[in-house]
Amino acid sequence: DTEVTQTPKHLVMGMTNKKSLKCEQHMGHRAMYWYKQKAKKPPELMFVYSYEKLSINESVPSRFSPECPNSSLLNLHLHALQPEDSALYLCASSPSPDMSKNIQYFGAGTRLSVL
Amino acid sequence: GDSVTQMEGPVTLSEEAFLTINCTYTATGYPSLFWYVQYPGEGLQLLLKATKADDKGSNKGFEATYRKETTSFHLEKGSVQVSDSAVYFCALRDAGGTSYGKLTFGQGTILTVHP
Repeated sequence: DTEVTQTPKHLVMGMTNKKSLKCEQHMGHRAMYWYKQKAKKPPELMFVYSYEKLSINESVPSRFSPECPNSSLLNLHLHALQPEDSALYLCASSPSPDMSKNIQYFGAGTRLSVL
Repeated sequence: GDSVTQMEGPVTLSEEAFLTINCTYTATGYPSLFWYVQYPGEGLQLLLKATKADDKGSNKGFEATYRKETTSFHLEKGSVQVSDSAVYFCALRDAGGTSYGKLTFGQGTILTVHP
């Protein structure tokens, strides 16, 4: 089983709202990732968590705040977003951040619209 | 830095036609190479992978061979089906120890298969 579950599937929010995206995996994976994907473009890496610690932040604006409460769960907290932040947000996980064991499995994504 | 170049699409084929999607890369060291597929409205699914030169990845009738001498990882399928219509992404994973498995994606190739 290589399932990564993301909720919600769709989210519409105003620019003053606060919302959260959730990602869950029960495969014992110790590396988790957030990506942003605009239409007709490849995914762009936002954050990497390795053993529940933030390891990479790709210069993402502070209106996006990641959180990894435990090894199975990854959240992305959203606040004061802009319309250009509308995109598909993908979560991925990998057995390990170590090169030899790193294969990323993606969730179905949350399609976010900011009005 | 690392980069991946895919053939420009979209690619339109008739059912049972032969498929080739070209992918070339630039990287230092010995990266691992992947093909991901994204069906409409979904996240990315790992299609196949290769971790060293001359490895052949295969899955669901798709194949790709890691060619270090030509820095290529072309995707092929002998007989496509309508259900293969999707966007295909070639990606490489940096071999560096501090990259936490960061993937570099190509721009994606849209494949449409007609009955």
